[in-house]
Amino acid sequence: SYELTQPPSVSVSPGQTARITCSGDALPKQYAYWYQQKPGQAPVLVIYKDSERPSGIPERFSGSSSGTTVTLTISGVQAEDEADYYCQSADSSGTYPFGGGTKLTVL
Amino acid sequence: EVQLVESGGGLVQPGGSLRLSCAASGFTFSSYDMHWVRQATGKGLEWVSAIGTAGDTYYPGSVKGRFTISRENAKNSLYLQMNSLRAGDTAVYYCARRGGGVYLNAFDIWGQGTMVTVSS
Repeated sequence: SYELTQPPSVSVSPGQTARITCSGDALPKQYAYWYQQKPGQAPVLVIYKDSERPSGIPERFSGSSSGTTVTLTISGVQAEDEADYYCQSADSSGTYPFGGGTKLTVL
Repeated sequence: EVQLVESGGGLVQPGGSLRLSCAASGFTFSSYDMHWVRQATGKGLEWVSAIGTAGDTYYPGSVKGRFTISRENAKNSLYLQMNSLRAGDTAVYYCARRGGGVYLNAFDIWGQGTMVTVSS
């Protein structure tokens, strides 16, 4: 299994753009997935296969990949986007590591 | 409605055992890989185990040899047998579906979680 590294926190003002990164050596070979988790709730998938958005997820959520880093971008951040965000991947041995999570604060 | 509902959590003493269940509905359970993911209070998500459609199983080192994942397709149910429990196993345990298909290795459906507390 390999590790995924995220910044513990990111802060932005409403209407600005938030970028949350996730780094891991295997990311050039494996897709990344992003989840949003609000207090007391189960995680919700917001991005799959690096940059695809599930139906029902607002267009302001997007993902990108470059080398060993993937990035979740939230454009025009709204107060309701304040949450914890986790990246996740999979490796060839059948394990599914998560990043440590990033707390997004909307100022 | 596609749904996962966990049950079986509770308080158990260190060294004890507990069996979690997850009831699936609204989809063809036998066609999907299923997983358990846990979250200690105030901490991040930790993948705990996986079972494929053919019954193949996978675990991280932290639980290997102590936890056993299983499924009963006729009952649309997923289980997690947890033995030799430690204080560090205290967490909310989520059942999650691996989406497969276009979702590949994403967990597209999650249950609401069940709390396991290991304490004397």
